[in-house]
Amino acid sequence: GAVVSQHPSRVICKSGTSVKIECRSLDFQATTMFWYRQFPKQSLMLMATSNEGSKATYEQGVEKDKFLINHASLTLSTLTVTSAHPEDSSFYICSAISTSGTDTQYFGPGTRLTVL
Amino acid sequence: QQQVKQSPQSLIVQKGGISIINCAYENTAFDYFPWYQQFPGKGPALLIAIRPDVSEKKEGRFTISFNKSAKQFSLHIMDSQPGDSATYFCAARRSNFGNEKLTFGTGTRLTIIP
Repeated sequence: GAVVSQHPSRVICKSGTSVKIECRSLDFQATTMFWYRQFPKQSLMLMATSNEGSKATYEQGVEKDKFLINHASLTLSTLTVTSAHPEDSSFYICSAISTSGTDTQYFGPGTRLTVL
Repeated sequence: QQQVKQSPQSLIVQKGGISIINCAYENTAFDYFPWYQQFPGKGPALLIAIRPDVSEKKEGRFTISFNKSAKQFSLHIMDSQPGDSATYFCAARRSNFGNEKLTFGTGTRLTIIP
């Protein structure tokens, strides 16, 4: 199946710093990428939908100024957590849908963010 | 109308047995129903998916049963193995017209015991 990668896989940062997470579709072009957040033993919570070349659409309750999303190319989307605080510590997962129009949504391996 | 209800929350099955996880949806516009498997510390991986034009789909030991009138679908894992121990999520979405989002169930933690 198609591969989606994320970098870094783990990051530890100090409170108040910003952290950037990259999501790449390695063997397909993705018109749309999604960013999720997952707390321990819980389901995936959609944060935003990212379309190449346009502004991301954020879910209700997600602060767009805090979670900056950029989808600059058909293979790369980035999520920047600005001025991170301990409550932002979570597992962040991206996913992508191919431009070929299939239904399949491929997920990345996730990034574990710990804010001290 | 966007909810997908999943049960049970956790499930323990003996090795070789059948694991059954159920989901129910409300939005009749949903027409794509995937199941994802997630291991601790990893992203979800697509297991199998179904569209409402068929009532059952089988891939290896995994089978989806779909009941359109009841708005329910279920995952059956035959001959369950310890390696199947993971969290399973059902999901639903309208057909892919670009950026339709998945609505996820709450997850089922499956444990296969020897």
